[in-house]
Amino acid sequence: NAGVTQTPKFQVLKTGQSMTLQCAQDMNHNSMYWYRQDPGMGLRLIYYSASEGTTDKGEVPNGYNVSRLNKREFSLRLESAAPSQTSVYFCASSERGPAYEQYFGPGTRLTVT
Amino acid sequence: AQSVTQPDIHITVSEGASLELRCNYSYGATPYLFWYVQSPGQGLQLLLKYFSGDTLVQGIKGFEAEFKRSQSSFNLRKPSVHWSDAAEYFCAVNGATNKLIFGTGTLLAVQP
Repeated sequence: NAGVTQTPKFQVLKTGQSMTLQCAQDMNHNSMYWYRQDPGMGLRLIYYSASEGTTDKGEVPNGYNVSRLNKREFSLRLESAAPSQTSVYFCASSERGPAYEQYFGPGTRLTVT
Repeated sequence: AQSVTQPDIHITVSEGASLELRCNYSYGATPYLFWYVQSPGQGLQLLLKYFSGDTLVQGIKGFEAEFKRSQSSFNLRKPSVHWSDAAEYFCAVNGATNKLIFGTGTLLAVQP
């Protein structure tokens, strides 16, 4: 049981390049999330998917797009990377509802030069 | 709107000493409250959560937290800290929106 997996672990991009961060969970969870973590700012929600077929913006969605490919997979795309998107990105999943804990992946460290 | 405040950015304690990490939240009704821990280079792991019932909740690794509605607080405690507890700790609140709001975290250092 792998839990939540993310690829890649590390990535360096030049300004203007695009890339997709992949996330998959094997816990049959309905809800999935993408966060970014920056020093001194905690985790901020970029996008989430309450259930398969739905996606919604979080606190910091600008510059990102997401796709809920199926129940297991939720990808995050940067169409034109900017240095301000240098961050650590975490994917998480949970059962649907506010009482349920979220399970986190190991993160992707992205640097945009 | 929901919000979480962790007033201590960095705390240092001696191994074997007691620990209390502070968390204050803002939410109109009874929130769902969580404490997560993040070891260096890792994702977040749930320590404990509260959503109803007994206001003192027990978690993993010997941690506990107490929900105090009158103070809008959910402080994390441990009676005796171990060197392996050095990590960053995040308090989070989930209200009716089904979205977790995290505090900015408290970095715990443990002195031998």
